Amino acid sequence: DAGVIQSPRHEVTEMGQEVTLRCKPISGHDYLFWYRQTMMRGLELLIYFNNNVPIDDSGMPEDRFSAKMPNASFSTLKIQPSEPRDSAVYFCASSFKRQSYNEQFFGPGTRLTVL
Amino acid sequence: QKEVEQNSGPLSVPEGAIASLNCTYSDRGSQSFFWYRQYSGKSPELIMFIYSNGDKEDGRFTAQLNKASQYVSLLIRDSQPSDSATYLCAVSRGAQKLVFGQGTRLTINP
Repeated sequence: DAGVIQSPRHEVTEMGQEVTLRCKPISGHDYLFWYRQTMMRGLELLIYFNNNVPIDDSGMPEDRFSAKMPNASFSTLKIQPSEPRDSAVYFCASSFKRQSYNEQFFGPGTRLTVL
Repeated sequence: QKEVEQNSGPLSVPEGAIASLNCTYSDRGSQSFFWYRQYSGKSPELIMFIYSNGDKEDGRFTAQLNKASQYVSLLIRDSQPSDSATYLCAVSRGAQKLVFGQGTRLTINP
């Protein structure tokens, strides 16, 4: 089975440009998470969805960031306008609610560099 | 105070020895505790989870939980060079949301 798919794998852009990151969760999973990882701040949860509905966006750093999940198999994270401090690896993860535990499966990540 | 704290390391352990990784958390309402392994340039993957006080063993890995002390640890027995990675501790209040520590970088020396 395919795991979580993210695109692009690498993105280099200039400050002020719009960036769109894409994620396809594992089929059948009803939770989707967007994380950002940097050396300084570690792995931070930005936002997560349940059944395509945003549940908690308290980790979204500012209004320049937005996320959507139009259907169960696709989500986007958009940064507009981008800034150099947004440079990081962005991970998408998915899970489904079990009685016992909630394992999150991570995608390969998108490495974003904003010049 | 950070919600989940780990010693960032690096922790260096000789091959065949026991590696001990520690994590403390601040939220007493936390119910589930996870250890993820992340190889350099790769994504995190779950290796252990624990809910109850005490020890949980899976192969060479043992997770230990002490809720009174708000402390979680991971022991890796017979350490192998392939265990060299960053280990992330994650904590949940019972919902799907996880809070991750900064991670401990572990190096196993042949």
